Amino acid sequence: AQSVAQPEDQVNVAEGNPLTVKCTYSVSGNPYLFWYVQYPNRGLQFLLKYITGDNLVKGSYGFEAEFNKSQTSFHLKKPSALVSDSALYFCAVRAFKSSARQLTFGSGTQLTVLP
Amino acid sequence: DAMVIQNPRYQVTQFGKPVTLSCSQTLNHNVMYWYQQKSSQAPKLLFHYYDKDFNNEADTPDNFQSRRPNTSFCFLDIRSPGLGDAAMYLCATSRVDEDSTDTQYFGPGTRLTVL
Repeated sequence: AQSVAQPEDQVNVAEGNPLTVKCTYSVSGNPYLFWYVQYPNRGLQFLLKYITGDNLVKGSYGFEAEFNKSQTSFHLKKPSALVSDSALYFCAVRAFKSSARQLTFGSGTQLTVLP
Repeated sequence: DAMVIQNPRYQVTQFGKPVTLSCSQTLNHNVMYWYQQKSSQAPKLLFHYYDKDFNNEADTPDNFQSRRPNTSFCFLDIRSPGLGDAAMYLCATSRVDEDSTDTQYFGPGTRLTVL
């Protein structure tokens, strides 16, 4: 079985400061890892993904994530937070080349960037 | 722009009155998914179509059905909505082939209210 943990329900950060949203995963074999962002009353927007290769993945809106196999983590980061980054963030995992289509999502982390 | 479209964005129905939610896509993706999301929780996969093949999740109630008349459209039918079915319903699509990473792209969602 695959699972994702987002240990923080809420993260607060001041505008201009770096932000980190944490994610750890469990999956059989190699993982596909994803980050999505959700604004109020909207669908999930794809931010970035890790498939293979470079452990540092760059995505939309200045976000990046670092894959750490030994720690089974895929933390989302941004060097300088904006108020407009305030939203709900979901990490998701799927087993590499799995025939199962299902993405397993974490419980979400509400990010608030304070002006 | 290629996208996933959901109609309507907001749907109000009465307890027990059948309702249909619509999803269309211009991405030419071969997989379409329906998720239920309650109160900023993680999205819960209800079922998906891989081309014409319907795949139901084991814990999806029989009250929920789906139709995919062609590649572009997919419908979610709730036969007898209960108060507990009030939620955001998200449609997503992905392309599955040997070279793809099966990234799921989401529509804006339909918020269902049951009176």
